[in-house]
Amino acid sequence: DSGVTQTPKHLITATGQRVTLRCSPRSGDLSVYWYQQSLDQGLQFLIQYYNGEERAKGNILERFSAQQFPDLHSELNLSSLELGDSALYFCASSLLGLAGGGTDTQYFGPGTRLTVL
Amino acid sequence: KNQVEQSPQSLIILEGKNCTLQCNYTVSPFSNLRWYKQDTGRGPVSLTIMTFSENTKSNGRYTATLDADTKQSSLHITASQLSDSASYICVVGGGGNKLVFGAGTILRVKS
Repeated sequence: DSGVTQTPKHLITATGQRVTLRCSPRSGDLSVYWYQQSLDQGLQFLIQYYNGEERAKGNILERFSAQQFPDLHSELNLSSLELGDSALYFCASSLLGLAGGGTDTQYFGPGTRLTVL
Repeated sequence: KNQVEQSPQSLIILEGKNCTLQCNYTVSPFSNLRWYKQDTGRGPVSLTIMTFSENTKSNGRYTATLDADTKQSSLHITASQLSDSASYICVVGGGGNKLVFGAGTILRVKS
């Protein structure tokens, strides 16, 4: 158990709909990262927040948005869903939020499996 | 272009045997290199993190090496177990918040 929690575990919805995925980081970690993993693709970095502020952006679509709240939990909002958005969405947390530049360990949650029908 | 390439794409070995997974990168500047283990349908788990000045790091039966001159890393698994069956992902940190992921090597250990 990494200490990172994600809800819900599974989500089934229809095209055009909007969903919200939730992530609670490990106690003490200030940074949250969101990743998408499709069936035939590796992990794709979406976005990172550190202590409530956006720190880095990856391949995140304009239909997707995220935020980190004062209690440090984070939400990823996916709107106008398409079939291609079906994937596993992972949240990770780290203490310092400098994963690219240091040796800050990222701890991944169990993921949310999104199915768009 | 910043890339991380892993080989082989997949590998099948017998329980108890050793194996080595490769990672070549072109990420610049280079800050750190990480190996993760990901079981099917679960989140990745960090195995090792190495910076420019480190050329080997161990975590139990897992040993990672780094050659920053040739931009190559390897992950050696000793005395493999059935539970080692997973995807192994190489990730290179390019400074700041740049993280470049490899596509992973799928390892299957059979009895």
